Amino acid sequence: GAVVSQHPSRVICKSGTSVKIECRSLDFQATTMFWYRQFPKQSLMLMATSNEGSKATYEQGVEKDKFLINHASLTLSTLTVTSAHPEDSSFYICSANRGGAGETQYFGPGTRLLVL
Amino acid sequence: SQQGEEDPQALSIQEGENATMNCSYKTSINNLQWYRQNSGRGLVHLILIRSNEREKHSGRLRVTLDTSKKSSSLLITASRAADTASYFCAAQGEGAQKLVFGQGTRLTINP
Repeated sequence: GAVVSQHPSRVICKSGTSVKIECRSLDFQATTMFWYRQFPKQSLMLMATSNEGSKATYEQGVEKDKFLINHASLTLSTLTVTSAHPEDSSFYICSANRGGAGETQYFGPGTRLLVL
Repeated sequence: SQQGEEDPQALSIQEGENATMNCSYKTSINNLQWYRQNSGRGLVHLILIRSNEREKHSGRLRVTLDTSKKSSSLLITASRAADTASYFCAAQGEGAQKLVFGQGTRLTINP
């Protein structure tokens, strides 16, 4: 199957700092990637859809100025949590579509963020 | 909320028994997908069933889809301890790429 990686796998930072998370599709090109957030014992909530070469589409209630998304190439999308606070501590997971609508999404292994 | 519902939220059974999880969704779909997540890990894709399909099998997995009721079920037969995980359904709407996840079922298989 297709491989999606995330880096870092775990990050601890101080409140007020910014954290960048990378999502890469290793063996295919992805024009669209997705960013999810998952709190403990809860399901995945879609934050935004990342489109290569254009602005991301954010879900309702997600602050675009706080969660900056850049999709500069067909294999890399980045999520930057700006001025992180303890309530931003969560598990962040990306996924990528190998094809278009109606196809399987491939998920990265996730990044656990802890903001102190 | 657009999120789908799953039941039960938690299920604990003995090894060898069958486990059934149900999922309901809210919109018209192109397909419905099931994923497994081990604690603190990423998601593993299990099976995809398209809106024009009613049943699909993959190894010990059987998935059904009832579009009239907007519901799906995942059956794991002859469960094993290694099947212990959280299971999520995810609906992909018509013409859409994004997935809407259900709340998940935490499955525990007791040796």
